[in-house]
Amino acid sequence: DAGVTQTPRHEVAEKGQTIILKCEPVSGHNDLFWYRQTKIQGLELLSYFRSKSLMEDGGAFKDRFKAEMLNSSFSTLKIQPTEPKDSAVYLCASSLGRNQDTQYFGPGTRLLVL
Amino acid sequence: GQQVKQSSPSLTVQEGGISILNCDYENDMFDYFAWYKKYPDNSPTLLISVRSNVDKREDGRLTVFLNKSGKHFSLHITASQPEDTAVYLCAAGGNTEGADRLTFGKGTQLIIQP
Repeated sequence: DAGVTQTPRHEVAEKGQTIILKCEPVSGHNDLFWYRQTKIQGLELLSYFRSKSLMEDGGAFKDRFKAEMLNSSFSTLKIQPTEPKDSAVYLCASSLGRNQDTQYFGPGTRLLVL
Repeated sequence: GQQVKQSSPSLTVQEGGISILNCDYENDMFDYFAWYKKYPDNSPTLLISVRSNVDKREDGRLTVFLNKSGKHFSLHITASQPEDTAVYLCAAGGNTEGADRLTFGKGTQLIIQP
């Protein structure tokens, strides 16, 4: 079985651009999470879906970050417009979603905003 | 404030020694506790987890101790080896309104010195 896949692995954007990150969860998993990882803040939850329904949309990130899950096997995270402070690694994770099952992380997208 | 806190950003242990990593949490509704391991340029992977109905779980060289009254859990690694050098993230969660999400600590960098 394939694990969580994320594309692109690396992205360089100019300030003000719109970027879209993609994630495919493990087949059969019901929960999908988007995180931002930085050295200072660690792992911060951006969005959380259960069976394609948005369960949590991280408050501080609402204005320029929008995650969508149009089907059970694909999710996107749009950042619009990008700012240099958005430079980080963006991780997608999925789990079965039954009472704290293991979260499996994708390889991440390393974003650099100039 | 931080709901899950790892007070030591780094820890150095001699090879063969016991590594003790600590984590404190605030929400007494949390009933699931986990440790993830992260190598540089890799994503976190689950090491070991425990539910609140037990206060200890062993798996090989790893032991998780849970102190619910103190809102504290720890990871003990015996016979520490150079390959244990990594960032260790603690995480805690609870099944609230049918939703499962984890809150992560910022991580402790463990360095095993040969």
